[in-house]
Amino acid sequence: RKEVEQDPGPFNVPEGATVAFNCTYSNSASQSFFWYRQDCRKEPKLLMSVYSSGNEDGRFTAQLNRASQYISLLIRDSKLSDSATYLCVVNEGNTPLVFGKGTRLSVIA
Amino acid sequence: EAEVAQSPRYKITEKSQAVAFWCDPISGHATLYWYRQILGQGPELLVQFQDESVVDDSQLPKDRFSAERLKGVDSTLKIQPAELGDSAMYLCASSPDGTGQGLKNTEAFFGQGTRLTVV
Repeated sequence: RKEVEQDPGPFNVPEGATVAFNCTYSNSASQSFFWYRQDCRKEPKLLMSVYSSGNEDGRFTAQLNRASQYISLLIRDSKLSDSATYLCVVNEGNTPLVFGKGTRLSVIA
Repeated sequence: EAEVAQSPRYKITEKSQAVAFWCDPISGHATLYWYRQILGQGPELLVQFQDESVVDDSQLPKDRFSAERLKGVDSTLKIQPAELGDSAMYLCASSPDGTGQGLKNTEAFFGQGTRLTVV
């Protein structure tokens, strides 16, 4: 079955640090890419979509590299509230979203 | 703000019993998903509906799991009989229908989930 691979972490970083996560996907036909955030025992929520040209939302930057089939998420100036699991999500269009296993981030004071 | 509603939030059941979960997607969303998430793992698809039709149930353990969305709106997921390994969070999600509309990067919206414990 098509897979999405992520480093599970945990990434333990101090407040104010910059941290980056990568995600690789195996299905070259994938069309849509997302990063979801999931707090402990809560449902996943969309953090940002990932576009071919890359996109930025405040302290968060997402990049897509179709040739190498990976997606990245960069978080600058980490806050305590950024502590969560970050899920990489991929799909081909109208097919089900395929989730990675998530990368745990802990931001430490 | 529109939400995906799920019930119950928590369910404890004995193994070999039957259990059912309910989901009401965001109004107008044609696509509905049921995912299962084991602690420490990412969500894994059980079944996808497009309106009332099953699009993908290849990962649904059909000997014990069933899902329906009879009127293309709300949906029920049933397990009978429940096994200890079914303990997990069951997440329902919905998304707008992107087919033929040129929509890209159509996100899915999740409900709060049903946490099932089988004892």
